[in-house]
Amino acid sequence: EAGVTQFPSHSVIEKGQTVTLRCDPISGHDNLYWYRRVMGKEIKFLLHFVKESKQDESGMPNNRFLAERTGGTYSTLKVQPAELEDSGVYFCASSPMGIGAGNTIYFGEGSWLTVV
Amino acid sequence: GDSVTQMEGPVTLSEEAFLTINCTYTATGYPSLFWYVQYPGEGLQLLLKATKADDKGSNKGFEATYRKETTSFHLEKGSVQVSDSAVYFCALSGRSGGSNYKLTFGKGTLLTVNP
Repeated sequence: EAGVTQFPSHSVIEKGQTVTLRCDPISGHDNLYWYRRVMGKEIKFLLHFVKESKQDESGMPNNRFLAERTGGTYSTLKVQPAELEDSGVYFCASSPMGIGAGNTIYFGEGSWLTVV
Repeated sequence: GDSVTQMEGPVTLSEEAFLTINCTYTATGYPSLFWYVQYPGEGLQLLLKATKADDKGSNKGFEATYRKETTSFHLEKGSVQVSDSAVYFCALSGRSGGSNYKLTFGKGTLLTVNP
């Protein structure tokens, strides 16, 4: 069974440009999460989808970030316009059940974004 | 809000040495606790977890016990191998609002094991 896949694995863009990151969750997983790790800091929650609905987007830093999950399958995270402080690793994760009660979620390898 | 504090790295050990990575947390309620590991060039993998006080999670020779009285979840391994070299993250799952839960991570500890 394929794991969570993310694309691109690495991206270098200039400040002000737009980048779109894609995440394909494990087949059948209704829950999809985005997290990110800015250099030297903690991995932080961005948002949580249940199927195509945004269950929790309390971690989205500002309106330059837009996440979608049309059809409840793959998800995209768009950063527009990108700023230097957006550089970091963006992780996607999925799970059949929500995180509550210690359920396991499965992470992808991450998309490394560098804004120059 | 919830927070996780883990020992600063990097940690460098020789093969077969004993490993401890300290982790303490602050949370409301009764969170579940996790250790995730990221090997070079790979994604985050769940290493072990514990869902209630006094539970011990274990996997691949690693262990951690959920200590509610000291709000800790220290990671230990009796004899590390070169292949254990990775970044280790302590995390908890807690409510982010209403019925929503999210993972809160520590900053990560880079472990390097030399032959």
